[in-house]
Amino acid sequence: LAKTTQPISMDSYEGQEVNITCSHNNIATNDYITWYQQFPSQGPRFIIQGYKTKVTNEVASLFIPADRKSSTLSLPRVSLSDTAVYYCLVVPSGGYQKVTFGIGTKLQVIP
Amino acid sequence: DADVTQTPRNRITKTGKRIMLECSQTKGHDRMYWYRQDPGLGLRLIYYSFDVKDINKGEISDGYSVSRQAQAKFSLSLESAIPNQTALYFCATSDRGTYYNEQFFGPGTRLTVL
Repeated sequence: LAKTTQPISMDSYEGQEVNITCSHNNIATNDYITWYQQFPSQGPRFIIQGYKTKVTNEVASLFIPADRKSSTLSLPRVSLSDTAVYYCLVVPSGGYQKVTFGIGTKLQVIP
Repeated sequence: DADVTQTPRNRITKTGKRIMLECSQTKGHDRMYWYRQDPGLGLRLIYYSFDVKDINKGEISDGYSVSRQAQAKFSLSLESAIPNQTALYFCATSDRGTYYNEQFFGPGTRLTVL
């Protein structure tokens, strides 16, 4: 399974756009790039998933280059409530049974 | 009402005791999972089940057992609890056959083993 690498922590001021990049060099053809958000003492929550190019929803955008060896989660105009840990996962089309949640990126939004 | 519920939410027990953590879901999903999370670490998969008759070990199953009583219920047992099983435990569900393969997590059970 593809291993992911992402920054351990990031700081951002309120109102700024935040980009979190994840590398997954050995991603397989049937793998999907998936991001989760976790607040302290809560379960992770799905944010966005994509296979290639760009995906956008009401919460975030996900940019995936053609080689799919990296991806960037973009959070527009963050607020204090976006302070959380963000996990980048590579999920095979068959499911989560062998997916590893690493330590994620701890985003701290500063007033 | 929450789609994925866990009971209890908090539990303190002593070494050697048997503990059961329960998970129920109303999402109608086939797949259910148990994870543990330790401070500063990611989630590690303990067991997963793709249907009532299909149960599989995850990354760290030693010291744990599970029971899938029904499609909606998946219980995790610690037969003889030990202090290094102190952690935050999450149950999750997912559907199969959907393009967006999303997991839905419960609120977690904080377990302390003294």
